Amino acid sequence: EDKVVQSPLSLVVHEGDTVTLNCSYEVTNFRSLLWYKQEKKAPTFLFMLTSSGIEKKSGRLSSILDKKELSSILNITATQTGDSAIYLCAGDLSGNTGKLIFGQGTTLQVKP
Amino acid sequence: SAVISQKPSRDICQRGTSLTIQCQVDSQVTMMFWYRQQPGQSLTLIATANQGSEATYESGFVIDKFPISRPNLTFSTLTVSNMSPEDSSIYLCSVGAGITGELFFGEGSRLTVL
Repeated sequence: EDKVVQSPLSLVVHEGDTVTLNCSYEVTNFRSLLWYKQEKKAPTFLFMLTSSGIEKKSGRLSSILDKKELSSILNITATQTGDSAIYLCAGDLSGNTGKLIFGQGTTLQVKP
Repeated sequence: SAVISQKPSRDICQRGTSLTIQCQVDSQVTMMFWYRQQPGQSLTLIATANQGSEATYESGFVIDKFPISRPNLTFSTLTVSNMSPEDSSIYLCSVGAGITGELFFGEGSRLTVL
């Protein structure tokens, strides 16, 4: 059975800290892994990773995929209170874009 | 990225009633997807809606409970039928970005069933 597991499930840090969120997957016909940030209702897209070892970066956020270990990490440096959100990891199955298997999410709280 | 509008944004419903959620996209898309997010849970795919054909449902979801319409390439509806408190969730419409593989979500519809 396909599954995506995230850790930790929740995390509390202070502004300025660096955090690493983990995602592991067991997905047949794996095509890509996606990261989303969910603050209210709609998840907003962060990264899509298809190739192992190539870091994707956007400002203070970066992510990398390890296909050998079937895992990915999302790093956030110099965290701000606005980074407080649920971070979702999802595996894309069979190249059928849109059919994603989501992890449970990591709830990040950044305190001032 | 696509602009996806959902209505209603939120609603409080009585047990046994049905509610239809609308999803409008600002561009033509082949496939539209409906996800559910129960309280404290992650997102689960309900079904894939293709224009001109019946929706494809995931395991655990059936057409009688979640009928879907897809009358054209920019619009879809999801009905939650005969609601019970267990149907209290956020329902999200999404579309893919085509070849790049990204998936974009509407703002979501938060349903509370009393």
